[in-house]
Amino acid sequence: AQKITQTQPGMFVQEKEAVTLDCTYDTSDPSYGLFWYKQPSSGEMIFLIYQGSYDQQNATEGRYSLNFQKARKSANLVISASQLGDSAMYFCAMREITQGGSEKLVFGKGTKLTVNP
Amino acid sequence: KAGVTQTPRYLIKTRGQQVTLSCSPISGHRSVSWYQQTPGQGLQFLFEYFSETQRNKGNFPGRFSGRQFSNSRSEMNVSTLELGDSALYLCASSLAGSGGPSYEQYFGPGTRLTVT
Repeated sequence: AQKITQTQPGMFVQEKEAVTLDCTYDTSDPSYGLFWYKQPSSGEMIFLIYQGSYDQQNATEGRYSLNFQKARKSANLVISASQLGDSAMYFCAMREITQGGSEKLVFGKGTKLTVNP
Repeated sequence: KAGVTQTPRYLIKTRGQQVTLSCSPISGHRSVSWYQQTPGQGLQFLFEYFSETQRNKGNFPGRFSGRQFSNSRSEMNVSTLELGDSALYLCASSLAGSGGPSYEQYFGPGTRLTVT
C-alpha cells in the first residue's frame, strides 16, 4: 500500500521568506504522481502542484516548486516569498491507480503553516 | 467554468438519522470521488464513481453508500448516523477516464456534517 509521511505538524515562517514543507512517500509502483494541496480554514482543497514520477524536471507553479528526489522518495514543497495568505494546512498526496482505472488520492496528515508578519 | 459544488455546506443531524450529500462536478468531468476528513483519521477515500458506476471503494462500513447520475452529479448517503461520522466530506472531480489529463482532482468546498 502506498503511504505518505509529513513529519512537520506545524511550521512558522516570516512574511517574504521561503519555507520548505517535507513529504516522503513509499510505493512499489514505478509510475506514480505526487500532489500538494492547500486547505485554508474554509475547508476547500486547493491544488498547488503536481509531479509525475517520470518527469525529468522539478515542477514549478509560480511561487511553488517541488523538490523531487526520487532516490530518497521525497517530494518537498518550497514556497518562496511567503505571504500572509499562505497560512493554511498543506497536504502532500499520492495518486493510486487500480486495475480498473480508478484513481484515488492517499494523503499525508498535513502541515499547518503559519506566516508571521 | 464553474467549479465543483457541494450542497449543503453545513448539516447537523442526530444519531440514528440518515443524511444525503450532493456533489456537482465540473462540466465534462465524469469521475467523482468522495473523501472524509476528520481530525483523528485525516483524509480518507470513500469511493469513486465514473459513468454511474462505482469503480473503487475505501474501507468504510456499508452505512456509507453513493451513486452517480447520468449528468455525472453524485450523491453520498450515510445511514444510521454515529457520532464518529462527524466530519468534513469533500467531493472531487477529474477528467480521469475521459481521455484528458487525469492527474488533477478538483475539490469542492465540502459539507461539514455534525452528528449530535
